[in-house]
Amino acid sequence: GENVEQHPSTLSVQEGDSAVIKCTYSDSASNYFPWYKQELGKRPQLIIDIRSNVGEKKDQRIAVTLNKTAKHFSLHITETQPEDSAVYFCAARRNTGNQFYFGTGTSLTVIP
Amino acid sequence: DSGVTQTPKHLITATGQRVTLRCSPRSGDLSVYWYQQSLDQGLQFLIQYYNGEERAKGNILERFSAQQFPDLHSELNLSSLELGDSALYFCASSVTGSFSNEQFFGPGTRLTVL
Repeated sequence: GENVEQHPSTLSVQEGDSAVIKCTYSDSASNYFPWYKQELGKRPQLIIDIRSNVGEKKDQRIAVTLNKTAKHFSLHITETQPEDSAVYFCAARRNTGNQFYFGTGTSLTVIP
Repeated sequence: DSGVTQTPKHLITATGQRVTLRCSPRSGDLSVYWYQQSLDQGLQFLIQYYNGEERAKGNILERFSAQQFPDLHSELNLSSLELGDSALYFCASSVTGSFSNEQFFGPGTRLTVL
């Protein structure tokens, strides 16, 4: 099956700095990679996603990059703000068997 | 508010018991997904239904089962409960049965097994 590893597990940055979270996956058949943000006590919410036919996608301060050869994808948050503080999960969908796997999460703290 | 509703919000029960969690998807969404979130296992995909039929199966235990009814609401049944089943159970819905459609999560049901 698929194995999604996520690093780091915790990340603290100063407000205004950038934050980068990385995920690796094992199954080359995986073709869809979403990122979710989960604030404390709340539900996960999709913030950005990327498909395997694209190398990079941006949405304002958030970007995701995908390296299919190396089987890793990363979330980049620029100009971080205190409201970016949350747990971020990456995920990978394996097309074969239609399976969905999450990373273990990164707790991001943005220090004002 | 995502439009996905889950009941109950909290559930406390004893080991060996059986519980049913309920989920109503967003209006117009045909697919329902169930997830388990626990401290030691993280967020795990359990099962997906699309328009009443099972579409995909993840790490769902044999003691657990689910179904989606004609009105598209879904129920997750957990039986012979163990302490380790204590977790937050999320339901999500999407328009189609593809994982690459945005999934909208409900507020979750927190299950505590004593």
